[in-house]
Amino acid sequence: DAGVIQSPRHEVTEMGQEVTLRCKPISGHDYLFWYRQTMMRGLELLIYFNNNVPIDDSGMPEDRFSAKMPNASFSTLKIQPSEPRDSAVYFCASSWLAGGPPYEQYFGPGTRLTVT
Amino acid sequence: GENVEQHPSTLSVQEGDSAVIKCTYSDSASNYFPWYKQELGKRPQLIIDIRSNVGEKKDQRIAVTLNKTAKHFSLHITETQPEDSAVYFCAAMGSGGYQKVTFGTGTKLQVIP
Repeated sequence: DAGVIQSPRHEVTEMGQEVTLRCKPISGHDYLFWYRQTMMRGLELLIYFNNNVPIDDSGMPEDRFSAKMPNASFSTLKIQPSEPRDSAVYFCASSWLAGGPPYEQYFGPGTRLTVT
Repeated sequence: GENVEQHPSTLSVQEGDSAVIKCTYSDSASNYFPWYKQELGKRPQLIIDIRSNVGEKKDQRIAVTLNKTAKHFSLHITETQPEDSAVYFCAAMGSGGYQKVTFGTGTKLQVIP
């Protein structure tokens, strides 16, 4: 398996523009997570899905952020409109509860977002 | 919800010395405690974990201990090497069938050759 795939790897955009981050989880995994990492706030969980259903979106900072998982092999995180404070590395991760411990979360390579 | 605190935020040790990172958690229902290592510019990766029915677990030079009564757990790295330099995150996962993991704020470990 190629692991968790994220695209794009780098994104530079201007304030006010819409940004869409994409993630393909590991095949067979039933959980998908979106994280944001910054120096100031560390690794923050934004939202996670179980079997394509959003379970907890309490970490989504505000209405400008939205996430979807239309099927088991694809998820998007959208920011509209983007702001400079959204600049961060966004990680997608997937895991498999039914497989038992370790409940390892496999992280993608991340998308480095810069909003100018 | 769960709150995980991690100390210290930075740690410098001489090569060959030991390093200890400590975490506390708030939710007594949490029953799974993984540790992730993130090298500079890379993704976090699981290095070791411990479940609540175990007090200690070792894997070569790394070990984790868990004190459920006090709600704290620690990562111990012995005979540190330069390649151990990274950011280490502790985490806690609650029960209930869902895999929400709450991460600590991270410890940047520097091993000085």
